[in-house]
Amino acid sequence: DIVITQSPLSLSVTPGEPASISCTSSQSLLHSDGYNYLDWYLQKPGQPPQLLIYLGSNRASGVPDRFSGSGSGTHFTLKISRVEADDVGIYYCMQPLQTWKFGQGTKVEIK
Amino acid sequence: QVQLQESGPGLVKPSETLFITCTISGGSIGTYYWSWIRQPAGKGLEWIGRFYAGGSTSYNPSLKSRVTMSADKSKNQFFLKMSSVTAADTAVYYCAREAGAGQQQLLYWGQGTLATVSS
Repeated sequence: DIVITQSPLSLSVTPGEPASISCTSSQSLLHSDGYNYLDWYLQKPGQPPQLLIYLGSNRASGVPDRFSGSGSGTHFTLKISRVEADDVGIYYCMQPLQTWKFGQGTKVEIK
Repeated sequence: QVQLQESGPGLVKPSETLFITCTISGGSIGTYYWSWIRQPAGKGLEWIGRFYAGGSTSYNPSLKSRVTMSADKSKNQFFLKMSSVTAADTAVYYCAREAGAGQQQLLYWGQGTLATVSS
């Protein structure tokens, strides 16, 4: 089974400052088709998760460009260039390559 | 706009079967993959399985022996059936739809329905 590990598990950020979340996979998520099968979701309080980034680095429609995804193989990063109050919630990475697995989640709060 | 709405019994007794419905509006069930995901209170997300109305299914091995997914195309609904439930199955259950055209990211989500297993 592929194990997904996120870090940190919590993050307190000053508005306007950047934030970064890491996601590490126990196996490569780079498929033979050239795509990295790693997605990022944000679950705001009291809401279902919403898609932010798919295939490692593609922003979903309507997602602000302050969000970016990078990485390949086993190491991935979600970056928020300037955190806003609306960005609070729990961020999950997820691999849909084998048995789909979510990371443990990273709780982001505003200082 | 695609909208998903889960509905279920709310309370289920241990050892019984949980049955949850996802009703789809704004799109057809027939040409996409659909997933079920659950989340115990205060905990993370667990993928339960994936279903294609044409008959293809893929289940989380940890739940496979107890889970069945199916659909009623005429009603634009798909279903989750989970047998022999225990307290550990208490969670909010979400249905979700993939983006389509070979893209597996979960683009549309329902609001979730809470299923509590208790006697």
